[in-house]
Amino acid sequence: QSALTQPPSASGSPGQSVTISCTGTSSDVGGYNYVSWYQQHPGKAPKLMIYEVSKRPSGVPDRFSGSKSGNTASLTVSGLQAEDEADYYCSSYAGSSVVFGGGTKLTVL
Amino acid sequence: EVQLVESGGVVVQPGGSLRLSCAASGFTFDDYTMHWVRQAPGKGLEWVSLISWDGGSTYYADSVKGRFTISRDNSKNSLYLQMNSLRTEDTALYYCAKDEDYGSLDYWGQGTLVTVSS
Repeated sequence: QSALTQPPSASGSPGQSVTISCTGTSSDVGGYNYVSWYQQHPGKAPKLMIYEVSKRPSGVPDRFSGSKSGNTASLTVSGLQAEDEADYYCSSYAGSSVVFGGGTKLTVL
Repeated sequence: EVQLVESGGVVVQPGGSLRLSCAASGFTFDDYTMHWVRQAPGKGLEWVSLISWDGGSTYYADSVKGRFTISRDNSKNSLYLQMNSLRTEDTALYYCAKDEDYGSLDYWGQGTLVTVSS
């Protein structure tokens, strides 16, 4: 049950694109197509942004997209907006458990 | 509208016990696996435990195994977390969350704060 690895920070200017990586192992990210991404604003509960690697829940803008290659998943935010500034966490199903990444603070410059 | 409301968080001494509750509404509670996830102050999310729709299967993070027990009462649309032998490192905001599909947590409560301190 080791945490997934995310960069601690990422940044981009409004309108730009930014990609956040999430690296696990063949026991979690690489072994299942059940990677999720969550957005968390300060003092708020996490919000599901991406599930099953690349699917968006209803209401999530299509500026948010997900992908996976091997043991690494990625979240891309296109057309950055000020309200995208938040902490982002990846997670993966790991066969009877869930493992989260350490989180990435996204700053919109 | 889906709502998850946690309660039971307090200040407790190391070695103490506590039971957290989560009241669910707005969805068919007994159709879904439920989770507890915690977040220590200023830190990231940590998965704690999950329970299947019927309570027949439960799983725990290594950090809480043997000390915490997850349970549910589908007749009351409620989820619980019994926390024993509490340690200072258990201090965190505890969220309950609904599982849409294999760990995709689509709804979260606002959390209840547990502080373990002497």
